[in-house]
Parts: sequence; C-alpha cells; structure tokens
Amino acid sequence: DAGITQSPRYKITETGRQVTLMCHQTWSHSYMFWYRQDLGHGLRLIYYSAAADITDKGEVPDGYVVSRSKTENFPLTLESATRSQTSVYFCASIPLTRGQGNEQYFGPGTRLTVT
Amino acid sequence: QKEVEQDPGPLSVPEGAIVSLNCTYSNSAFQYFMWYRQYSRKGPELLMYTYSSGNKEDGRFTAQVDKSSKYISLFIRDSQPSDSATYLCACDTGRRALTFGSGTRLQVQP
Repeated sequence: DAGITQSPRYKITETGRQVTLMCHQTWSHSYMFWYRQDLGHGLRLIYYSAAADITDKGEVPDGYVVSRSKTENFPLTLESATRSQTSVYFCASIPLTRGQGNEQYFGPGTRLTVT
Repeated sequence: QKEVEQDPGPLSVPEGAIVSLNCTYSNSAFQYFMWYRQYSRKGPELLMYTYSSGNKEDGRFTAQVDKSSKYISLFIRDSQPSDSATYLCACDTGRRALTFGSGTRLQVQP
C-alpha cells in the first residue's frame, strides 16, 4: 500500500526557473490538496481539486499552476520560481465521502529551495 | 488576523504530565475540527477529528470543541517523550479544504 508519494523530496532551483512538484496517490481519493508550510504560518492551502479536471484556488495561489488530468496525480508547477517560494510543500488527499476515521492523508513533503 | 490562532510554544513538560494545547478561531462557518501531529521532517498525521461541539476521547488523547467561544483543545494524558512533536489544529467549513493553526511545538522531557 504505497499511499501518497511526492517527488522530488528535495529540490534546489534558481530564481526564474520553472519547477514541477509531483504528487501521486494510490487510493483513488477524489480530493487532492497542495499546501506549503513556512515557519510561523503553519500549513497554507495553495490549490485543491475535487476530482479530475476540477481545481480551485486556496489561500496562496499566486505564482502556482495545477492540473489534474488523472485522479491519482496532482502536479504543482511554479511557473517562474521566486525566493519567497522557498518552502516545504505537502500534498494531501481525502476520499469523497466524509467518514469517522482518518481524514486528510499527507505525503512526506518536498523541500524546495529557490536561490 | 488569521482565521485560526495557535500559540507556537515551545511547550516543555516532564514525562507523565497532562498537556493542554489550544486554538481559537474566528470563522463561524467551521464545522469540523482536527488535530494533527507532525514529527520533524515528516508530513502531518491525523490524531483527532471532531464534528461540531463536544468532546472526543481516544486513548490518552481528548479533543474538545466549544463553538460558542470558538475554542478548541487537545489534552494529552500521561505524556511520553514520543509525544514530542508539533501539534497542528485544523478547521473545515465542510468544503474539505483545511485552515491550519501555525502549530505548537511540544517537548516531553524524560
């Protein structure tokens, strides 16, 4: 049971470059999310998706692009990376129906540094 | 002002102590309340999940929600060094996207 994976786990890139962070889940969960985590801010929602081809902005979407052509994948692209996008990025997913058990399942995170 | 406020700590307690972690929120539309635990360099993992006001207990953990005062709490009984982590509260209006507090770092000293 692989669950939810993110790649790469670590990335260093230069200002102005395009970077894509990958997220893959094996559960066929409907909802998928991208958060960034910065000291003092906790996790902030960037984008989320309720199903394939349905995406919506979160709290901090500027500078990011997402797509969801397949249920299991939810890539996050930084079109032109800036130093302020240095952060730890977490992908998460949840099933369509709300249950009493675990809710959002998080991936292990991608640590991105923009120089 | 953030929708969910949480004291960042750090909070240091001796092993066996009762720990109280708290958050306040401002959005009356929040209906679902969660506590996540995050170890260093790991993704958050769900500890407790509560719908609306009330208490929920799971082993050494108790979550409380008071919607009238917009206050949520997590209590840890008989704290262990393995409980040392960052604890994040999270709130949801029902549309599934979570709003997190900034997290409280807890250290349980052996």
